[in-house]
Amino acid sequence: EVQLVESGGGLVQPGGSLRLSCAASGFTVSSNYMSWVRQAPGKGLEWVSIIYTGGATSYADSVKGRFTISRDNSKNMVYLQVNGLGAEDTAVYYCTRDNYYYYGIDVWGLGTTVTVSS
Amino acid sequence: EIVLTQSPGTLSLSPGERATLSCRASQSVSSSHLAWYQQKPGQAPRLLIYGASNRATGIPDRFSGSGSGPDFTLTISRLEPEDFAVYYCQQYGSSPRYTFGQGTKVEIK
Repeated sequence: EVQLVESGGGLVQPGGSLRLSCAASGFTVSSNYMSWVRQAPGKGLEWVSIIYTGGATSYADSVKGRFTISRDNSKNMVYLQVNGLGAEDTAVYYCTRDNYYYYGIDVWGLGTTVTVSS
Repeated sequence: EIVLTQSPGTLSLSPGERATLSCRASQSVSSSHLAWYQQKPGQAPRLLIYGASNRATGIPDRFSGSGSGPDFTLTISRLEPEDFAVYYCQQYGSSPRYTFGQGTKVEIK
C-alpha cells in the first residue's frame, strides 16, 4: 500500500527549530518528486518545498532560507528542517508525492502539526 | 506568480442537487496544469481531477472538470452526503511549483 506518515511536529517557541520526518511505504521516494504542503488553522493550502529525483530542491518564497528539504534514500524518508519559526508557520504540514505522469499530488500523508507559540 | 480565485466561497445545496464550482486564474493556465482536490474536516486533501478534466483513480463519475485558459469549473452532478467538503483548485507553475485557490466550501442547505 502506498502511504506517507509524517512525524516530528510539536509546540515550539518563536525562533525555534524542528525537523519534520516523512516515512514512505509502497514506493521509492528517490524515484518521485516529493513535496511538503502546509495548511494554517482554518486556512487554505500552501505549497512549501519540493525535492526532485535528481536531488535539486525548490522553496516557496515565504520559507526560503529558513527551511531545508532533504531525503534519505536508504531509509526511504523525506525530511523538512524548519528553522527561525514564527507564528505564521503554525500549520499542519503534509508530506506529498507528485504523480509521475501528470501534474498533481496523488499521495498525501495525514500531516503533522507545528505550533509556534511562547 | 499566478493567483487562483475560487467562487463562490460557500455553496449551500441539498443532496441530489448539482454543484458548480469556479476557479479563475490571474493569467492563462495550461489545462494540463490544473487540478482539483477535495478536503473533508480533519483529513488530508484528495486528488479528484488532473489535467482540468481527467478523473483521478477511484473518483466517481459524478465529478467532472472542464475549462481552459483562465477559467475552470468543477461540477458535481448530483451531490451525495459524502461530497459536502471543501474543494481546492491548484495550478502547476515553475516557481512556486504549485499554487492553490482559497477553496470553496460545499455545505448542506
